[in-house]
Amino acid sequence: GQQVMQIPQYQHVQEGEDFTTYCNSSTTLSNIQWYKQRPGGHPVFLIQLVKSGEVKKQKRLTFQFGEAKKNSSLHITATQTTDVGTYFCAGTEGSYIPTFGRGTSLIVHP
Amino acid sequence: NAGVTQTPKFQVLKTGQSMTLQCAQDMNHNSMYWYRQDPGMGLRLIYYSASEGTTDKGEVPNGYNVSRLNKREFSLRLESAAPSQTSVYFCASRPRTGGVSANEKLFFGSGTQLSVL
Repeated sequence: GQQVMQIPQYQHVQEGEDFTTYCNSSTTLSNIQWYKQRPGGHPVFLIQLVKSGEVKKQKRLTFQFGEAKKNSSLHITATQTTDVGTYFCAGTEGSYIPTFGRGTSLIVHP
Repeated sequence: NAGVTQTPKFQVLKTGQSMTLQCAQDMNHNSMYWYRQDPGMGLRLIYYSASEGTTDKGEVPNGYNVSRLNKREFSLRLESAAPSQTSVYFCASRPRTGGVSANEKLFFGSGTQLSVL
């Protein structure tokens, strides 16, 4: 079955440093979504990428979808304490249900 | 709009007890999902309902049953709870209007924290 690997599992940064999390799929994806879960909260949708090589930005967040549509990354520039949480990617193959990566927990030290 | 509403928020069970987790959405979404979240394991799909009247197994269905009561409601039942079912359970929904390029983002409820002793 489809597998989505996400690394790293945890990332500690000093406030102001950059952060990147990576997702890799065992199969070609039709789209990939990214979610953020604050501590004690529920996952909240951030963005969806569909096209090969697509890059989207949301303020300090940059999302990329690989040319082969098998990998994706989320990069945060100059982290802030409000960025704390777990970031999940979710890849969809064909028209089926998204498969979630295990998530990357971001810890920001002031 | 309340979005996706889950009840209860917390529950403690003894091994062997049964219970039903309730989920309702008011966004007229076609598809609904039940996930469990365990530390370091991400979100794993238990069951889903692609549309009213249908249900299918996900990645980890053993020990659970579901009912899509109507378009709004999708319940998850534990017939005989086991300690391995201690987890945080999330219900989610999405429009599922078709097309892989459609923005089919998932809307999550606030979760149920379940402990089985």
